[in-house]
Amino acid sequence: DTAVSQTPKYLVTQMGNDKSIKCEQNLGHDTMYWYKQDSKKFLKIMFSYNNKELIINETVPNRFSPKSPDKAHLNLHINSLELGDSAVYFCASSQAGTGTYEQYFGPGTRLTVT
Amino acid sequence: RKEVEQDPGPFNVPEGATVAFNCTYSNSASQSFFWYRQDCRKEPKLLMSVYSSGNEDGRFTAQLNRASQYISLLIRDSKLSDSATYLCVVTQNFNKFYFGSGTKLNVKP
Repeated sequence: DTAVSQTPKYLVTQMGNDKSIKCEQNLGHDTMYWYKQDSKKFLKIMFSYNNKELIINETVPNRFSPKSPDKAHLNLHINSLELGDSAVYFCASSQAGTGTYEQYFGPGTRLTVT
Repeated sequence: RKEVEQDPGPFNVPEGATVAFNCTYSNSASQSFFWYRQDCRKEPKLLMSVYSSGNEDGRFTAQLNRASQYISLLIRDSKLSDSATYLCVVTQNFNKFYFGSGTKLNVKP
């Protein structure tokens, strides 16, 4: 059973387009995240979503909007894609109530903007 | 100053060697600490949590030094399959996660 899944795995699109990435977790966790891993392999948190509370990393452009229809899903919508958005996007989940915040990651979505 | 700093490596070691990585963090309010492993073109996977008293899991030993604000990972009897990038992670609460840029390990036959 896949714990955290993402679709699509690969996404190639042109500048200016709007695209969405979907994430689902079946671990029963109450917190989900989106991360961006750039070409230098640096993982940076973009958003966290815990029990309907959305925490936005202030450095993330407002072209990026997370949407959580329920506790098991956190999707990422990106408007007006730019070349610099090319990266691998990872979804993750954790159970905040444990106090340890161990995270489980999805397989990643490799986004290429041309 | 970065929240979490790691030596990027690569560390090139022969099979059977012992290798250690360090990671320093800047925020003394940090609460939880982890080592993750990331294989090429794969997602990060939790290797182990790091507890104040230090902890061991098979060939892996993690230690935390709060006074000096660093954590370490020791790998004994390295295997070829240990080749990966090791990420140090520090958290302050559920929405304050900071990843190091990773230390690359190559274990050679």
